[in-house]
Amino acid sequence: AQTVTQSQPEMSVQEAETVTLSCTYDTSESDYYLFWYKQPPSRQMILVIRQEAYKQQNATENRFSVNFQKAAKSFSLKISDSQLGDAAMYFCAYRRRTSGTYKYIFGTGTRLKVLA
Amino acid sequence: DAGVIQSPRHEVTEMGQEVTLRCKPISGHNSLFWYRQTMMRGLELLIYFNNNVPIDDSGMPEDRFSAKMPNASFSTLKIQPSEPRDSAVYFCASSPRGSEADTQYFGPGTRLTVL
Repeated sequence: AQTVTQSQPEMSVQEAETVTLSCTYDTSESDYYLFWYKQPPSRQMILVIRQEAYKQQNATENRFSVNFQKAAKSFSLKISDSQLGDAAMYFCAYRRRTSGTYKYIFGTGTRLKVLA
Repeated sequence: DAGVIQSPRHEVTEMGQEVTLRCKPISGHNSLFWYRQTMMRGLELLIYFNNNVPIDDSGMPEDRFSAKMPNASFSTLKIQPSEPRDSAVYFCASSPRGSEADTQYFGPGTRLTVL
């Protein structure tokens, strides 16, 4: 069975600094998707970034980038130039690529605090 | 472009009452998901619809929970009778067809409190 582990329950970062959130996963599949979702105090789950396992290039979205290490089954999120609005819970999620497979496996989340 | 819409945003009810949560997916999306989020269990998938048809309801906790999707733009999750342990945030999510079908877009959630 696939699992997703986020070993950092909470992280803090100074405004304008860079922070990296860790995520590891376990799967026997070779083709899958990985996601980072952000959940601010409003509770809305917002897609931050998406990575296809078959792509070697790391995904980036503005200040957000990932370090995808397929062999190590690691998928960390780097937030550059942190802003107060980045404070939220961050969830890592996995999904098999197989057609008809829809189930996300979520990690337990990392709470990010941004210090002014 | 409107996102996934859920109502109500907050619901407080008493044990034994019927609760109905509503969801409007993003227009054109053909898959809809209901999730429950609690501190103890994190995010759990309750049920998944594809083209309005329930595909997998194995996550539905028990017979007190039921979900319907009468058309492509509306779904309900009903709990009858409700119990205090049903207190949680319930999310609806939808995903499109084609190359983006892997990505789910979440609604703002409904916070349910059962007294």
